[in-house]
Amino acid sequence: GAVVSQHPSRVICKSGTSVKIECRSLDFQATTMFWYRQFPKKSLMLMATSNEGSKATYEQGVEKDKFLINHASLTLSTLTVTSAHPEDSSFYICSANPGQGPYEQYFGPGTRLTVT
Amino acid sequence: RKEVEQDPGPFNVPEGATVAFNCTYSNSASQSFFWYRQDCRKEPKLLMSVYSSGNEDGRFTAQLNRASQYISLLIRDSKLSDSATYLCVVNVGGYNKLIFGAGTRLAVHP
Repeated sequence: GAVVSQHPSRVICKSGTSVKIECRSLDFQATTMFWYRQFPKKSLMLMATSNEGSKATYEQGVEKDKFLINHASLTLSTLTVTSAHPEDSSFYICSANPGQGPYEQYFGPGTRLTVT
Repeated sequence: RKEVEQDPGPFNVPEGATVAFNCTYSNSASQSFFWYRQDCRKEPKLLMSVYSSGNEDGRFTAQLNRASQYISLLIRDSKLSDSATYLCVVNVGGYNKLIFGAGTRLAVHP
């Protein structure tokens, strides 16, 4: 149980284009999902908390107009990187809490974004 | 000061060795504590939660010292497959926000 999927696993896009990443909880419902990014050899940094049916909560320094989050159902959250630039190239990972145990989160396999 | 601090390593140990990782956290209001494991270019996976009384799962033992704001992970009888980055993770607040340490790299060699 507690499986989270992400799609795509890898994407290469040109500067200025937008990229959508999907995060799905496959065997549980998640009212809250989380989006992280990780640069090489660095820690995961929380970007935003995605709340089903309401606006996402963004961490300080994360541009909400650049990283659009939509959590339209209890099993799907999407992150859209708008007008991507090479510095947006990173490993984007989502997570969700299945509601069991002390705030345990289960992570999707991640999406590696390369902006050329 | 970082919210969660870990020694980045790497720790290079032979198979069968015992190795310990330490972690400190700055927010005394932290409520829950975890060790995650992350393999290269993969997502983090929960290794174990850390309870106040300390807890053990097979070869892995986790300890928490709230007074010192210190968490540890002990791995006994290291296996080659234990090679990974170990992330110390802390939950602050009531809505599941996790704060990650930068990780400690472990390399187990034959």
